[in-house]
Amino acid sequence: KAGVTQTPRYLIKTRGQQVTLSCSPISGHRSVSWYQQTPGQGLQFLFEYFSETQRNKGNFPGRFSGRQFSNSRSEMNVSTLELGDSALYLCASSPGTGSKAHQPQHFGDGTRLSIL
Amino acid sequence: DQQVKQNSPSLSVQEGRISILNCDYTNSMFDYFLWYKKYPAEGPTFLISISSIKDKNEDGRFTVFLNKSAKHLSLHIVPSQPGDSAVYFCAASGPGGNKLVFGAGTILRVKS
Repeated sequence: KAGVTQTPRYLIKTRGQQVTLSCSPISGHRSVSWYQQTPGQGLQFLFEYFSETQRNKGNFPGRFSGRQFSNSRSEMNVSTLELGDSALYLCASSPGTGSKAHQPQHFGDGTRLSIL
Repeated sequence: DQQVKQNSPSLSVQEGRISILNCDYTNSMFDYFLWYKKYPAEGPTFLISISSIKDKNEDGRFTVFLNKSAKHLSLHIVPSQPGDSAVYFCAASGPGGNKLVFGAGTILRVKS
């Protein structure tokens, strides 16, 4: 069974530009979450999408946005890039079937974004 | 505020012995706890989880213990193997979604 796939693996941008990252979840998973990992702040939750709707949101500015498509694939967009946006961006998926029982999230290998 | 804390930045253990990684949390609304292992240049790999209705969950060499009154959980790895050397993250979530709150991680080194 294929895992979570994130593209691209590496990206270099300059300040002020915008970027779009892509995530394909495990087949059958409908929940996709995004996280940012930096040396200073650790792993921080950005947002979660389920059935094309944002279900949860972290404490990030509006420059960070996302969307989910009908096939559960997700994209996140960062506009007006700042130096501090340099980070590893991780995507995770879970079945998210709506059951009250929790299910573990499974992560992709991330996109390393560097801002010059 | 740090809702999930891993107070030991690193831990060194001899191969074959037990590794014990600790995690504390402050938010009493958390009801699901997970441990992940992470190698450099890879995403976190799910290891084991526990619901707040339990106090112990086992999977092979990995056991997680939850003490709700102390708001403390631990991961036991027995026996430890050199391939277990990695960064271990504790994570927690509350009801109603998949928002994981992570600890800062503990670097485990298993010496052969």
